[in-house]
Amino acid sequence: EAGVTQSPTHLIKTRGQQATLRCSPISGHTSVYWYQQALGLGLQFLLWYDEGEERNRGNFPPRFSGRQFPNYSSELNVNALELEDSALYLCASSSGVQLMNTEAFFGQGTRLTVV
Amino acid sequence: AQTVTQSQPEMSVQEAETVTLSCTYDTSESDYYLFWYKQPPSRQMILVIRQEAYKQQNATENRFSVNFQKAAKSFSLKISDSQLGDAAMYFCAYLSGTYKYIFGTGTRLKVLA
Repeated sequence: EAGVTQSPTHLIKTRGQQATLRCSPISGHTSVYWYQQALGLGLQFLLWYDEGEERNRGNFPPRFSGRQFPNYSSELNVNALELEDSALYLCASSSGVQLMNTEAFFGQGTRLTVV
Repeated sequence: AQTVTQSQPEMSVQEAETVTLSCTYDTSESDYYLFWYKQPPSRQMILVIRQEAYKQQNATENRFSVNFQKAAKSFSLKISDSQLGDAAMYFCAYLSGTYKYIFGTGTRLKVLA
């Protein structure tokens, strides 16, 4: 069974540009989480989607946005890129709100570098 | 708001010895889950162990065990018989009633041969 897949693996953008990161969850999973892992700051929660809806959002500016498609894959968009947006972006999927104790499975991340 | 704190940015342990990683959290909820995740250099996050808050018995998975102190809001991870492959970043995580995973800042574990 395929795990959580993220694309691209690496992404280099210049300041002011837009970046689009993609995530395909494990088959059958309806929840997708996005995290930013900047150096020394651990995992900062960005967004949580379940069944196509945004369920929760972390403390990030509106230029961080995303969506979840009918097939439960997800996209994270970062507009007007700033240098401090450089980080590893991790996507995780889980079974959704039906199971409280559900484990989150992570992708290998997209390394975004803003120059 | 729920928070998770890992106060040890880095820990070292001699191979075959035991090490304990600390985690504290803050919440007003009574029903929640706690996890320890491992992130090796490959970046792939792996679940190590989970604990249901309503269970008093501490979870154990082979060489990994937790010390869950609900009243103190403490959730430490003990690794026994440490192996070189245990070297990684370890993240403590809290799963809240809003189904949002909250992670600590991580502890880098070094295993010395």
